This record gives sequence, structure tokens and C-alpha cells, in this order.
Amino acid sequence: SQQGEEDPQALSIQEGENATMNCSYKTSINNLQWYRQNSGRGLVHLILIRSNEREKHSGRLRVTLDTSKKSSSLLITASRAADTASYFCATTAGEQGAQKLVFGQGTRLTINP
Amino acid sequence: DVKVTQSSRYLVKRTGEKVFLECVQDMDHENMFWYRQDPGLGLRLIYFSYDVKMKEKGDIPEGYSVSREKKERFSLILESASTNQTSMYLCASSGAGYGYTFGSGTRLTVV
Repeated sequence: SQQGEEDPQALSIQEGENATMNCSYKTSINNLQWYRQNSGRGLVHLILIRSNEREKHSGRLRVTLDTSKKSSSLLITASRAADTASYFCATTAGEQGAQKLVFGQGTRLTINP
Repeated sequence: DVKVTQSSRYLVKRTGEKVFLECVQDMDHENMFWYRQDPGLGLRLIYFSYDVKMKEKGDIPEGYSVSREKKERFSLILESASTNQTSMYLCASSGAGYGYTFGSGTRLTVV
């Protein structure tokens, strides 16, 4: 079952610009996480935001969470060619599934030099 | 750093073969997971485990089984491989309340 839906599905920007990706989900969550995947590789955890948090920063990454709208956004500032990858949001929910991540389809980000 | 190691990056097997995909993590995590990733379908959870000898079905367990005899090792078994099991398989582990650490993935082709 897919919980998160990323938007847009693909994004292409120039190096140095900011990239914003959005994620919407359907049910109440414990936390929401963002991951990056370079082509043909495993996923790398970027940032985790808990349901009682509204914003979180990590280096050039900024994540917001709006639980009333069931949505999150990932902002990458001053993009670099190395940021080219697919980005996924994922959520955990409920006591039984507290450690089980449900992923969205991902946003394919391309940074043009 | 937590490391999750998958035994093979690429694997080619024949239809009907029994296939073992191995995953080992080195940080004493309780939770381990197997996903498959397919174009247009995203990541789908096959099985997961909260502890040694415990296993829970994910969203698409049919045709698969798992084994967790030791805390650090979580094996995915394809009982009789079929061509529709050609996919990228991703193993992950996590401690309570933290993000997952993924392995590099195994790209399995069943011919």
C-alpha cells in the first residue's frame, strides 16, 4: 500500500537554484522521513521529522510538516550536480506498524550544470 | 556508521530455482526489512522482523519467505523463482525511532 505521494514526479533545475519537493499522505503518522536514492543504489536516510514537529533543518535541507494538511515538503537550497537523485518520503504510523516504513513513488530530481 | 551488507549486487537465476538473498547489519538493530523496488510501483514491503525468530508479512509476501536466526542476519528466500520476481531487492535495518539504513541492493534477474 502506498502512503505517500510525491509531487512533482520529476523536477529539473539549474545548479545553484533551490529545489522543492512535496509529499502528501493519507493517515495519521508517527513520523515522516525523506530518503535519497542514486541510480541503481540503495536509499540513504536524509532527515526524520516527528509528528509533533513543524520544521527541521539539516545542512542545505529543510523539511516542513503540516499534519493538518497531511503534507510535507523537502527544500534543497543551492543545489549541486551531486544532488541529482530520486527523493522519497516515507511514513510510519500506529503502534503495530511503528517501525514499518511506507514509501511514496519518489521525485526524480535532475540538477543541470 | 551502521552498515547493511547485501551479499550480491547482481544475481541471475533460472525459473524454479530456490534463491537466497542475504542481508547482514552490524549495529545490533532489532528491526530488519526486505523491500522490492520496481519502476512505476515504488518500494513495496515484502517481510519484516522485529526480533530474532520473529517475522511479519508485508504488503507482498506471496512467493517469498524469510529467516532470522540471528539478530544481525535477515534472509529472503524465493521458494521457486519466477520471472515476475525479477526486481531490485533492498534490505534495511533500524533501531527504535530512527531512520532506516539500507543496503546497496541486489538486482535479481530470473530467466
